[in-house]
Amino acid sequence: EAQVTQNPRYLITVTGKKLTVTCSQNMNHEYMSWYRQDPGLGLRQIYYSMNVEVTDKGDVPEGYKVSRKEKRNFPLILESPSPNQTSLYFCASSLLRTNTGELFFGEGSRLTVL
Amino acid sequence: KQEVTQIPAALSVPEGENLVLNCSFTDSAIYNLQWFRQDPGKGLTSLLLIQSSQREQTSGRLNASLDKSSGRSTLYIAASQPGDSATYLCAVRWNFNKFYFGSGTKLNVKP
Repeated sequence: EAQVTQNPRYLITVTGKKLTVTCSQNMNHEYMSWYRQDPGLGLRQIYYSMNVEVTDKGDVPEGYKVSRKEKRNFPLILESPSPNQTSLYFCASSLLRTNTGELFFGEGSRLTVL
Repeated sequence: KQEVTQIPAALSVPEGENLVLNCSFTDSAIYNLQWFRQDPGKGLTSLLLIQSSQREQTSGRLNASLDKSSGRSTLYIAASQPGDSATYLCAVRWNFNKFYFGSGTKLNVKP
């Protein structure tokens, strides 16, 4: 089954404790992206990747890091989480064919930073 | 500036009604437009994707249309059911690297 898998789905942590949210897709997609969703602010892009070893900032990259060492994986790293990073996070992937490239989402990871 | 707008923000209808959700966008030079459904606290499920060369796409009771010249897309839901209650988002792809999302329409279908 074609899917985007995120882990963990739920996480409560404390300020400053490094954490990683993993994302994996099995559709051989070149493009992968991270979003955060907050009430009243909609979906905002954090980082994206066009292929292995190619990453770039989205609209709200501060406080986040990413890496793309393998095509299927795109982890999101919070080096020193703060309470304003409490949010619902989504990973998504797509082919780079812009006309037909459908965007597929993971189930989301709800992060609470105390 | 590239923006996607969805109006209304919320909509409540009785079961069985046909309804239309709207999505408008600036700049007609899009690659594609995609409609999603999101249940509370859940991920986004793709409903329909319309390529820039297409005028409409259909899946079951759903029909999405695209009018690039006017910067509009509509999602038509026939014979609505309580199970259709969710937030519906549209996303426009203008670039290789970015999808622009509307803020969504929250639909409530009353039994």
